[in-house]
Amino acid sequence: GDSVTQMEGPVTLSEEAFLTINCTYTATGYPSLFWYVQYPGEGLQLLLKATKADDKGSNKGFEATYRKETTSFHLEKGSVQVSDSAVYFCALSDDDYKLSFGAGTTVTVRA
Amino acid sequence: DAGVTQSPTHLIKTRGQHVTLRCSPISGHKSVSWYQQVLGQGPQFIFQYYEKEERGRGNFPDRFSARQFPNYSSELNVNALLLGDSALYLCASSLFTGTFNDYTFGSGTRLTVV
Repeated sequence: GDSVTQMEGPVTLSEEAFLTINCTYTATGYPSLFWYVQYPGEGLQLLLKATKADDKGSNKGFEATYRKETTSFHLEKGSVQVSDSAVYFCALSDDDYKLSFGAGTTVTVRA
Repeated sequence: DAGVTQSPTHLIKTRGQHVTLRCSPISGHKSVSWYQQVLGQGPQFIFQYYEKEERGRGNFPDRFSARQFPNYSSELNVNALLLGDSALYLCASSLFTGTFNDYTFGSGTRLTVV
C-alpha cells in the first residue's frame, strides 16, 4: 500500500538557518504530493503541493520538488524564522478521496 | 467565514463506552473526511463522505462508523472504546471530492479513553 517516510525529528535550528526535511514515498500509481504544517493548537494547513514529476511546489519561502526517480519530495527553506516552528507532515494521494501522511517532523526555531 | 468546526474540543471517556464526535464543514462544502491522529504519528484516514454517501473507508474496525446529514455536517461514532482509541480526531471538508486544493482541516477533538 501507499506509505510516506519522513525525517525523524525533532529538528532545532537557529533563526536564518537552512531547513531541509526529507520525505520519500511508496505508491502504486502516480500520486500527488503535499506538505502540511500544524501549528500548536491548530488544524493542519496545506503548505504546498505538486501533482506530477518535476513539479515544484512553493509557498511562504518553502519549496519542494517532485522527484519520481528517487520517489522523494524534500521540503526546504533557505532562512527560517521563529514563526516557522511547527510540525510538518509529508503526505500523498493516489486516489480522489484520502491522504496518506508521514509521521511528522517537529521543527523548533530559536531566536 | 467560519472554518471547519469540531465539537467537543476535548473529551474523556471510559473503556467500553460509546462516543460521538461532530463536524460542521465550511459553508458550501459537500465533502467531509475523518482522520485519527495518535500522539507522535501522522493522521490516518478513517472515512470520507460526499453528498451523504460514504466514498471511502480506511483500515478501521467496524466499531467506527459515521454519517453525513442533509446540511453536510457529519458525526463520527466509536463504540466499545479501547485505550488505543485515545487520539486527536480531525475532520476535513472540501467542496468536492477528487481535489485537495480547498481541503480544510478543523482543529480536532482530543479524545482520551481511561
